[in-house]
Order: sequence, then structure tokens, then C-alpha cells
Amino acid sequence: AQSVAQPEDQVNVAEGNPLTVKCTYSVSGNPYLFWYVQYPNRGLQFLLKYITGDNLVKGSYGFEAEFNKSQTSFHLKKPSALVSDSALYFCAVRDTGTGANNLFFGTGTRLTVIP
Amino acid sequence: DSGVTQTPKHLITATGQRVTLRCSPRSGDLSVYWYQQSLDQGLQFLIQYYNGEERAKGNILERFSAQQFPDLHSELNLSSLELGDSALYFCASSVSPGTSGGYEQYFGPGTRLTVT
Repeated sequence: AQSVAQPEDQVNVAEGNPLTVKCTYSVSGNPYLFWYVQYPNRGLQFLLKYITGDNLVKGSYGFEAEFNKSQTSFHLKKPSALVSDSALYFCAVRDTGTGANNLFFGTGTRLTVIP
Repeated sequence: DSGVTQTPKHLITATGQRVTLRCSPRSGDLSVYWYQQSLDQGLQFLIQYYNGEERAKGNILERFSAQQFPDLHSELNLSSLELGDSALYFCASSVSPGTSGGYEQYFGPGTRLTVT
């Protein structure tokens, strides 16, 4: 069965500092991995995905993620955090069941960027 | 704006009642997914439709049902509502899986259901 884990419920970082939000995964077969962000009272916004290819994936709003097969991780990163990056971040993995394309989400990590 | 629309934004109803949530996918997307987000269970997949047919089921209760119409909009029906059904319900859409860029899903703003 597919699953993702986000070990940190909360991450605090100072504005201008690099940020990392952690995610580890467990899948049978090749992983299809995603990051989404949720702002208060809003839906989830797609940030980036890893399907195949380069281990460093670039996404929206300056975010990137590093796929590490040996560590089964897919950490979200940004070189310089903005206060506006404060939000709830979800890692997700695609279901590889027959005909399915739904996502399994982690429990979310609340990122707070401190001015 | 993802291009996925959901109505209503908020819904308050009593236990035992039935409600219908509506979703219109992005133009051209054939797949529609329903998810439930609650504090205790997080984000859970409920059901997927592809071009009018049910494709996959997740943790969807028997009291819940969905359908996708020929114009590709979808409705999620929740009946015999209980207090524990209070949650945020999201609809998402995607192009056909396997199409270039076809694996990510785009989410609507959600419907917040409160059962009293």
C-alpha cells in the first residue's frame, strides 16, 4: 500500500532563511510524488511533482523538491523563505492500483515564516 | 484560481438530513475526484469518476454516493448525516492519467459542511 509521512507537524523558519519540509514515502513500484500547499480557507494548490527524471524538481513560487530513492524521501525546499509562504503543506503519493489515480496525502506540515 | 468550481461554499444542516455538493472540473478534464478533509482523519480520498464512470473508491461510506454527468460535472450526495460528517469536502480534476502532465490534480475551493 502507498503512504507518505510528514514527520513534522510544525516548522518555523526566519524570513530569508532556507526552508525544508520533510516527506518520506512508501510505495510498491515507481513513486509518483507531489507537493501541495493550502492557505487558510482555500483549496489545495499544486506546487510540483516527481514522476521520473531529474531528482531535483522545480515548481511554483520558487519551491523545489529533492527526490532521494535510497532514503525514500521527497523533501520540499526553498532557498529563501517569505512570510507569504506561511501555510499548510501536504506531501502526496499517487495510488498505483489498477485504474486509480487518486492521491494519498500526508498529515500536513504547518510552515510559519517569522518576519 | 485552479479552474475547478464547487458549490455551495458553506452548508449547515441537521443530523439525519441529505445534502448534495456540486463540482465542475477544469475545462477538458475527464477525471473528477472527491476528498474529505477533517481534523481527526486528515485528507482522505472518497471516490473517482472518469468520463462518467466510477473508476476508484476510497474510504467512502455507504451513506455517501456520487455521480458524474455527461457534461462532466459531478455531484456528491451525503445522506443520513451525522455530526462526524462535518468536514471540508474537496473536488479535484485532472486530465487523463498518462497524458503529459496528467497525474497532478487541481483542487476546487471546497465545501464546508457543518452538521448540527
